[in-house]
Amino acid sequence: SQTIHQWPATLVQPVGSPLSLECTVEGTSNPNLYWYRQAAGRGLQLLFYSVGIGQISSEVPQNLSASRPQDRQFILSSKKLLLSDSGFYLCAWSVPTGGSPLHFGNGTRLTVT
Amino acid sequence: AQSVTQLGSHVSVSEGALVLLRCNYSSSVPPYLFWYVQYPNQGLQLLLKYTSAATLVKGINGFEAEFKKSETSFHLTKPSAHMSDAAEYFCAVKKSGSARQLTFGSGTQLTVLP
Repeated sequence: SQTIHQWPATLVQPVGSPLSLECTVEGTSNPNLYWYRQAAGRGLQLLFYSVGIGQISSEVPQNLSASRPQDRQFILSSKKLLLSDSGFYLCAWSVPTGGSPLHFGNGTRLTVT
Repeated sequence: AQSVTQLGSHVSVSEGALVLLRCNYSSSVPPYLFWYVQYPNQGLQLLLKYTSAATLVKGINGFEAEFKKSETSFHLTKPSAHMSDAAEYFCAVKKSGSARQLTFGSGTQLTVLP
């Protein structure tokens, strides 16, 4: 069966520090991969998605970036965090066919201080 | 472009009462529709999905949803609420053939009262 791993679960970082969140998927090949963010009391915001290695689509211009160095690995990064980057970050994957749902990781709670 | 509207950001029901969470969508083509549940500090878990096979879709934990094309609705129901159903629920729509992503509603927080 397929599983998705996301880490760390919780992270507290000072403003201006770098960020690296990692997500890996097991049990499937060539998945679509996604990064979402939930700010407190708000809905889900798509940040990035990827349909293959090295293929990244950005939905929201900001100081975050994403990379997909391997088929089942998706990394969210920042060179310098802002206070507004605080939130709950969710990685997700889906089979690249029309009606496939997204399957989410357990999320990373990021607090920028 | 497709969109999703969830009526009621907060819904409260008594334990044992009917749960009804409303979702209306707009899409230029027949969509795929989904309901997700999110417990505090966890990721989203798929409850059920509509992919045109049947208009009444049964999901996990006793939930079901009915696709009504004439009303562009996909409301989520459960006959009898349980305390463990307290969570946030998200409706989502995906356009057929889209590799992009789901469009999520803003969510409904369900409170179950003892």
